[in-house]
Amino acid sequence: DAKTTQPTSMDCAEGRAANLPCNHSTISGNEYVYWYRQIHSQGPQYIIHGLKNNETNEMASLIITEDRKSSTLILPHATLRDTAVYYCIVRVDKKLTFGTGTRLTIIP
Amino acid sequence: DGGITQSPKYLFRKEGQNVTLSCEQNLNHDAMYWYRQDPGQGLRLIYYSQIVNDFQKGDIAEGYSVSREKKESFPLTVTSAQKNPTAFYLCASTASGSKYEQFFGPGTRLTVL
Repeated sequence: DAKTTQPTSMDCAEGRAANLPCNHSTISGNEYVYWYRQIHSQGPQYIIHGLKNNETNEMASLIITEDRKSSTLILPHATLRDTAVYYCIVRVDKKLTFGTGTRLTIIP
Repeated sequence: DGGITQSPKYLFRKEGQNVTLSCEQNLNHDAMYWYRQDPGQGLRLIYYSQIVNDFQKGDIAEGYSVSREKKESFPLTVTSAQKNPTAFYLCASTASGSKYEQFFGPGTRLTVL
């Protein structure tokens, strides 16, 4: 299974863009990159996913490098409610494998 | 409102007892999943089911059992064979199709005394 590597923790000032990196150097050509986040003691929430092209929705943007070995999740204007653990996942078949993620703290 | 419900939110059991965690969804999703989460860790897949009356073991199925008799229900039984059952248990479901977004329930925190 393609593994992902994320920083353990990051801080970001409120109102600034939060850029969360993820390495997935062993990703295969047909495997999607998914991002979820989990606020303390709640179920994870889907954010965005992509295959090759950059993607944007109402929550975030996903930038995938041309070689697909890494990606960056961008929260354009971080708020205090964005404080959470963010998981970068490579979907294999019909399963998601969650690592330990990045703990993002938004600083007032 | 459509969604996934898990009950109860907190559950306490004595060691050696089996316990069944409930998961119900009204999203008309075909696939359902059970995960376990320990403090400071990511989610680990216990069992999943792509269709009624069929399910597959995930990465940590030992000591757990499931059934999928109805599309909307996927109960998980934590048996006495599970050596460290105290954990946060999360149920999820997903619709068929390319997006494959998983919707999660609020979780059940099981404590075995």
